[in-house]
Amino acid sequence: AQKVTQAQTEISVVEKEDVTLDCVYETRDTTYYLFWYKQPPSGELVFLIRRNSFDEQNEISGRYSWNFQKSTSSFNFTITASQVVDSAVYFCALSIVGGDDKIIFGKGTRLHILP
Amino acid sequence: EPEVTQTPSHQVTQMGQEVILRCVPISNHLYFYWYRQILGQKVEFLVSFYNNEISEKSEIFDDQFSVERPDGSNFTLKIRSTKLEDSAMYFCASRGIYQPQHFGDGTRLSIL
Repeated sequence: AQKVTQAQTEISVVEKEDVTLDCVYETRDTTYYLFWYKQPPSGELVFLIRRNSFDEQNEISGRYSWNFQKSTSSFNFTITASQVVDSAVYFCALSIVGGDDKIIFGKGTRLHILP
Repeated sequence: EPEVTQTPSHQVTQMGQEVILRCVPISNHLYFYWYRQILGQKVEFLVSFYNNEISEKSEIFDDQFSVERPDGSNFTLKIRSTKLEDSAMYFCASRGIYQPQHFGDGTRLSIL
């Protein structure tokens, strides 16, 4: 069975600080996708990134970066120079390639960026 | 950019009533999904749908739930006799081949 663990329930940082959201996943499958979604107070799910399990290269997109480490089954997300608009719940998620395709979400980390 | 559209954004229904949540997936997508998020909790998979039939369903998706693609554009989730615990945000998603799932903005269902 697959599982996604986000141990940090809630994080508060002051604006302009960097913050890292942790994600650890479990699966016996060798081919899978990992995701991060943002859920602002308005409630919609905003897609941030999808990574294939064969691609361990770290990715940077503006102030966002992702660190995928297969050896530790982790897919951490860092926001650099945080802004108040980054305040949201962030979900890490997993789906199996070629399998039933459902997305399995972690419980989310609520991020508060304080002005 | 094409998007998944869900209506209504908020639905209030009396317990025991039937409710239909509507979704218009992205037009060339072939795979369709419903997820549920109880307030303050994680997003949970309900059902996937492909080629006019259910591909997989979770334990949550019991006999009270059904899905349908009545025409070429809509994808609906029906709850036959709603319970208080059905109160949640319901997300529809769709995807094309080898593409990530695109989520709609959700329908907030409140059961009174």
